Amino acid sequence: RKEVEQDPGPFNVPEGATVAFNCTYSNSASQSFFWYRQDCRKEPKLLMSVYSSGNEDGRFTAQLNRASQYISLLIRDSKLSDSATYLCVVSYGSSNTGKLIFGQGTTLQVKP
Amino acid sequence: GAVVSQHPSRVICKSGTSVKIECRSLDFQATTMFWYRQFPKQSLMLMATSNEGSKATYEQGVEKDKFLINHASLTLSTLTVTSAHPEDSSFYICSAGLGRGYTQYFGPGTRLTVL
Repeated sequence: RKEVEQDPGPFNVPEGATVAFNCTYSNSASQSFFWYRQDCRKEPKLLMSVYSSGNEDGRFTAQLNRASQYISLLIRDSKLSDSATYLCVVSYGSSNTGKLIFGQGTTLQVKP
Repeated sequence: GAVVSQHPSRVICKSGTSVKIECRSLDFQATTMFWYRQFPKQSLMLMATSNEGSKATYEQGVEKDKFLINHASLTLSTLTVTSAHPEDSSFYICSAGLGRGYTQYFGPGTRLTVL
């Protein structure tokens, strides 16, 4: 079983749609959680960290459910520029290691 | 945010040659640098964790004698793919950590093609 699992998609949505991505992780010792965005043939870039209380950054909302080991990302009013692969990432271990475990990513294609 | 550079951005080489990739943190001192590999349509896989002045810690299944990592200073880590073969063709990405905690900044990646 993969440590971090995501539905690879692709998700094809029209502009303005709301889309939700889900992610599950297997290691209950995971301590930090993130969503990264990766454009084609580019490096991943941090989109947002995910907190137990849930957090929002503009059109993006992230939720974490530690009991279910489940993470979600909601994108509202999607834009063409949101087209990318979204990577669910968890981290565990000592605070000095910062080892990141990446999911395989969910591809989003926003169409006009 | 912090800036991490990689050089070269792309390299094409013949089978059997060695390739060195540099990762630099440009505006901060990185206590830890990480090397990842990403094959097409797959996710990033951590290869090794590199701490300045000490030996790298390799992930299971990554050959330390094939992927040589040197972290000689707080701003530079190098990955050398020795005797590269076509199956080593991949996107190699480094990241640099700002210290305690999990903030990592990624370099732009190096696309290696071995003929």
